[in-house]
Amino acid sequence: QKEVEQNSGPLSVPEGAIASLNCTYSDRGSQSFFWYRQYSGKSPELIMSIYSNGDKEDGRFTAQLNKASQYVSLLIRDSQPSDSATYLCAVSYGQNFVFGPGTRLSVLP
Amino acid sequence: GAGVSQSPSNKVTEKGKDVELRCDPISGHTALYWYRQSLGQGLEFLIYFQGNSAPDKSGLPSDRFSAERTGGSVSTLTIQRTQQEDSAVYLCASSRQPATLHFGNGTRLTVT
Repeated sequence: QKEVEQNSGPLSVPEGAIASLNCTYSDRGSQSFFWYRQYSGKSPELIMSIYSNGDKEDGRFTAQLNKASQYVSLLIRDSQPSDSATYLCAVSYGQNFVFGPGTRLSVLP
Repeated sequence: GAGVSQSPSNKVTEKGKDVELRCDPISGHTALYWYRQSLGQGLEFLIYFQGNSAPDKSGLPSDRFSAERTGGSVSTLTIQRTQQEDSAVYLCASSRQPATLHFGNGTRLTVT
């Protein structure tokens, strides 16, 4: 059983702070890793993908991958109230994707 | 079209009735996925189509669920003899390469 785990939250951070979202996965055969953002009542949208160990930065977002520890994280710098959403971690196995339950982030103005 | 299109956006049905949910993927995307999301929960994989290959049906929760993809494009997810536990948002996604899923807006199914 391939599993992806996340803290369900809610994670509350003040505006301007760094939000740190974490995800662990069970299968070492995982190839690619993704972070999706889902606003309430909306469908998920891709915000970051990462394929190799280390950090990948895109604007205020940084994804971090550690395959040895089977751990992937997302950092959001200078958090804004508009970042308040549920963040879904997804892991690919071949052509398929397994999603975590999501972490609800609340950025307080 | 510009994105993945799903219809209807909302469906209310009585327990025991059959329903059909439609997904029109992004043109040129060979991969199509169906997921289900219950209230406050994550995404549950249902079925995956890739080109002309046999679909991966490993996520379908029971034999009341089936899906087809005609001509490698439009897909229909059918739920027979609906039950209240089938109430959820059904999301379709397509992909041109394995890496990136593009989701539709979903169909919210309510079984009364």
